[in-house]
Parts: sequence; C-alpha cells; structure tokens
Amino acid sequence: DAGVTQSPTHLIKTRGQQVTLRCSPKSGHDTVSWYQQALGQGPQFIFQYYEEEERQRGNFPDRFSGHQFPNYSSELNVNALLLGDSALYLCASSSGTATREKLFFGSGTQLSVL
Amino acid sequence: TQLLEQSPQFLSIQEGENLTVYCNSSSVFSSLQWYRQEPGEGPVLLVTVVTGGEVKKLKRLTFQFGDARKDSSLHITAAQPGDTGLYLCAGSTSYGKLTFGQGTILTVHP
Repeated sequence: DAGVTQSPTHLIKTRGQQVTLRCSPKSGHDTVSWYQQALGQGPQFIFQYYEEEERQRGNFPDRFSGHQFPNYSSELNVNALLLGDSALYLCASSSGTATREKLFFGSGTQLSVL
Repeated sequence: TQLLEQSPQFLSIQEGENLTVYCNSSSVFSSLQWYRQEPGEGPVLLVTVVTGGEVKKLKRLTFQFGDARKDSSLHITAAQPGDTGLYLCAGSTSYGKLTFGQGTILTVHP
C-alpha cells in the first residue's frame, strides 16, 4: 500500500518562473492538504482540497493555487516565484471529514528559487 | 491568528538523559498532535491528545495535554541516539488544518 507520493523530489527555478508540484494521496484518502516548510521552521498550512474544491486556505497570496482531480490527486501551482518561496512543500492526505482526522505526509518537494 | 510556541528550539543531550519539550498557545485547540520529522522526510504522527488533562504514553515518550487544551508537553525518558530528530507539535481546530509550532531539534549523543 503506497503512502503519500510527491513529485518531483527536488526542483530548481529562477525568480518569476512558475512551478507545479504533484501529490498522490494514500489509498483510500480523499482529502489533500498542502503545507510549506521553510528551513528551520514548522510547516505552514497553504490550503486543503476535498471533492475537487478548495475547502480551506491559509494566509498565502493568490500566486499559490491548486487543483484536485477526480482520482483525488492534487497539484500545487506557484506563479511569479520569489526567493522567499524556497522551501520544502509537503502534501498530506486524510480520509473523511472528522475534525481530528489523522494526516499522512509525503516526503515533500524541495523547491529552490534562485 | 493562532500560534503555537515550542520550547526549547534546540536540545543537545547525552544518551540516557531525560528531556521535556513544551508547546504553548493562547488559543484553545480541539486536539493537539506531536510529530517527529527526519531530514528529507515528512512529519510522522506520534500521538494525538484530545481531552484536557489527558496523558498518553508511547514506550519512553509521555505526552500531556493541558487542562485548558492550550498547552502540551512531550517527555522522553532515557533518550537514545535514535530519538534524534525534529519534534513538532500541531494544534487542530477544523477539518485537517493544523497549526504547527516551529519545532524542537533534538540531538542525542552516544
């Protein structure tokens, strides 16, 4: 049973470019959340997708957008990249709508913006 | 904005010592989770505490949720080098959205 898989594992971009990160949730999970983890910090919530819709959003600008597909996989898009967008981007999947659902995290995509 | 303050930020100890990591907030959370993260990996859930005053034990790890559900602690007894990693607390208020603390980097020397 595959867990949460993310691709690519590493990515190098330059300022102003656009990037797409991908996530496949754990089998049986229908909810995907994205987090940004800067070096030496805890993860910060970006947004969450359920039933192909953005259900919640953290304090991130509109340059950050996402999508969820019918098979529950998800993409995170970041436009007009800034140096400060360099971070580990984590995808977490969960099942159901319980308020204390258990999250399973992927290993992340390390994004470097030069 | 809900914030979780973790302390200490760094902890370097010798094998066999005990340690406690604290997680404090001015906000009430419906539950609080503790994660451990190793370099190049995502966080892995250790425990979820739900009820104020709750205490959970996981081998040498003891987790406590404050009575008011605003703070928590993680105590490790007789630390081992394999305990080395980044420990994160995270509070939950709604559907899967977690607010994380900044983490505690623990290094246990043989």
